[in-house]
Amino acid sequence: DGGITQSPKYLFRKEGQNVTLSCEQNLNHDAMYWYRQDPGQGLRLIYYSQIVNDFQKGDIAEGYSVSREKKESFPLTVTSAQKNPTAFYLCASSNRDGYEQYFGPGTRLTVT
Amino acid sequence: AQTVTQSQPEMSVQEAETVTLSCTYDTSENNYYLFWYKQPPSRQMILVIRQEAYKQQNATENRFSVNFQKAAKSFSLKISDSQLGDTAMYFCAFMKVGGAQKLVFGQGTRLTINP
Repeated sequence: DGGITQSPKYLFRKEGQNVTLSCEQNLNHDAMYWYRQDPGQGLRLIYYSQIVNDFQKGDIAEGYSVSREKKESFPLTVTSAQKNPTAFYLCASSNRDGYEQYFGPGTRLTVT
Repeated sequence: AQTVTQSQPEMSVQEAETVTLSCTYDTSENNYYLFWYKQPPSRQMILVIRQEAYKQQNATENRFSVNFQKAAKSFSLKISDSQLGDTAMYFCAFMKVGGAQKLVFGQGTRLTINP
């Protein structure tokens, strides 16, 4: 089955630790995205990548980093510089035109 | 910058009724897409319907249809014959054509379908 996988579903970390969230897709999509969702708010774009080895900052990139070494994978690292990392993180992918984005099941990150 | 506003934080209807969710947006762009996404309790985001701004005809997908008013910058979603499985958060989203493929989301409307 084609789709997007994110692991793990729930992730717990201590404050001050970096943590990497996984996102893999087998849809042969060129573009991939990371969004953050907080309670009572819509999704906000963190980073996106339209092609391998290239990525751009979204609206809330501070405290996050990404890499795109393979077409299928777009991991997100939440660094200790991110002031409020506890949130629900969603990964998405699309064809290069981006007009229909498919979402993964998300990772709930809790930092204490 | 584009903004998307959903003025109804919560709505509740009985099964089989018709419900309309509101969305307004602000943009200076002329060419863009509008979307409605559904997020059920599983939290998986699912695309419900898409509207191209250059098309005058309103998009429909089975029980889901939109009322797109470009001049008023309004994009409402109508769900006919609502079902229990329609219970979810619904997000309106905007994307301009060309440039970065950024989805800009509204705050969401929590829809509950009661038996």
